Amino acid sequence: EDQVTQSPEALRLQEGESSSLNCSYTVSGLRGLFWYRQDPGKGPEFLFTLYSAGEEKEKERLKATLTKKESFLHITAPKPEDSATYLCAENKLIFGTGTRLQVFP
Amino acid sequence: ETGVTQTPRHLVMGMTNKKSLKCEQHLGHNAMYWYKQSAKKPLELMFVYSLEERVENNSVPSRFSPECPNSSHLFLHLHTLQPEDSALYLCASSQDYRQFGYEQYFGPGTRLTVT
Repeated sequence: EDQVTQSPEALRLQEGESSSLNCSYTVSGLRGLFWYRQDPGKGPEFLFTLYSAGEEKEKERLKATLTKKESFLHITAPKPEDSATYLCAENKLIFGTGTRLQVFP
Repeated sequence: ETGVTQTPRHLVMGMTNKKSLKCEQHLGHNAMYWYKQSAKKPLELMFVYSLEERVENNSVPSRFSPECPNSSHLFLHLHTLQPEDSALYLCASSQDYRQFGYEQYFGPGTRLTVT
């Protein structure tokens, strides 16, 4: 059964404390891994698409990487405004439950 | 209006009511989606439309009835709902619908409460 699992479920960071979020998948024939950010009371906002193992994409303090089994979202020197829930999904539209990130000043 | 809009933003309905959720996309996309988001659960794909034709229907109860009159508008008609249907209903659109997927653009959602 195709599955997407995210960890940790929640993460609390001090401002400037870098960390990584994990998204592992068991989808056969992956053709795209997507990262989204969701703020409370809002719909998810698209961040990145990764298509092949070894691919990396960056946006401000965020960098997404992809291997054959998992993807990481690295957050470098986070700020309080990076606080949100981060979701990953694969091309068959199966989503993980997300990682709720809180960054404290 | 830009992006994907949804109305109403909040809806409270009784189990015997009939109501409709509306979604409109201003991005020129060809595919539209309905998702259900419940607390502690991943987004659940409900329906997919590509060029106004339904291409996926993921075992959704018949009390949810989608309608896509054109590529810019999507409706979700609700009737005789159950309390467990209370959730955030999200609409999304993407450039196209293919097996390898396109990034999706989401609306703000309709918070539905069934009493």
